[in-house]
Amino acid sequence: DAGVTQSPTHLIKTRGQHVTLRCSPISGHKSVSWYQQVLGQGPQFIFQYYEKEERGRGNFPDRFSARQFPNYSSELNVNALLLGDSALYLCASSLDGQNYGYTFGSGTRLTVV
Amino acid sequence: EDQVTQSPEALRLQEGESSSLNCSYTVSGLRGLFWYRQDPGKGPEFLFTLYSAGEEKEKERLKATLTKKESFLHITAPKPEDSATYLCAVQATSGTYKYIFGTGTRLKVLA
Repeated sequence: DAGVTQSPTHLIKTRGQHVTLRCSPISGHKSVSWYQQVLGQGPQFIFQYYEKEERGRGNFPDRFSARQFPNYSSELNVNALLLGDSALYLCASSLDGQNYGYTFGSGTRLTVV
Repeated sequence: EDQVTQSPEALRLQEGESSSLNCSYTVSGLRGLFWYRQDPGKGPEFLFTLYSAGEEKEKERLKATLTKKESFLHITAPKPEDSATYLCAVQATSGTYKYIFGTGTRLKVLA
């Protein structure tokens, strides 16, 4: 079975630009969460979605937004990129995000220059 | 405020030299405590879930234990392939179902 897949694996953007990151969960998983991991730190929670509804949001500015589609895939959008947005963005999927643990993808490495 | 602290930040071991990693946590109510392994540039790989004090889980050379305030990841006779960053995370019973991660322990096992 395929695991959590994220695309792209790497990308470089310029300050002020917009970026869209994509995630396909494990088949049958209905919950997707997004995390930001800055080098040398643990992952920080950004969003959680379940059945296309936002269930939780971390302490990130409104420049960050996300959505989940009917097929349970998800997009993370970041507007007006800042240098500090450079990080590994991780997507994780779970059957329900509450009673079952999360499986993480390999992440998207975003570099803002 | 819910919080996770891991120690040590970094650990160097000789092959075969057993040791333990610590994860101290403060959470309003614990739904679960999770251990992950992360290799450079990769996503975290699930190792264990612990739900209640006194619980233990084992997998190959790794054993995780849980008390009301902390968890330990014991590594017995480690091998160089065990070198990685080990992350601990907690999930609270209230509020959102997010994971709160520690900053990890970077383990290097020397041959």
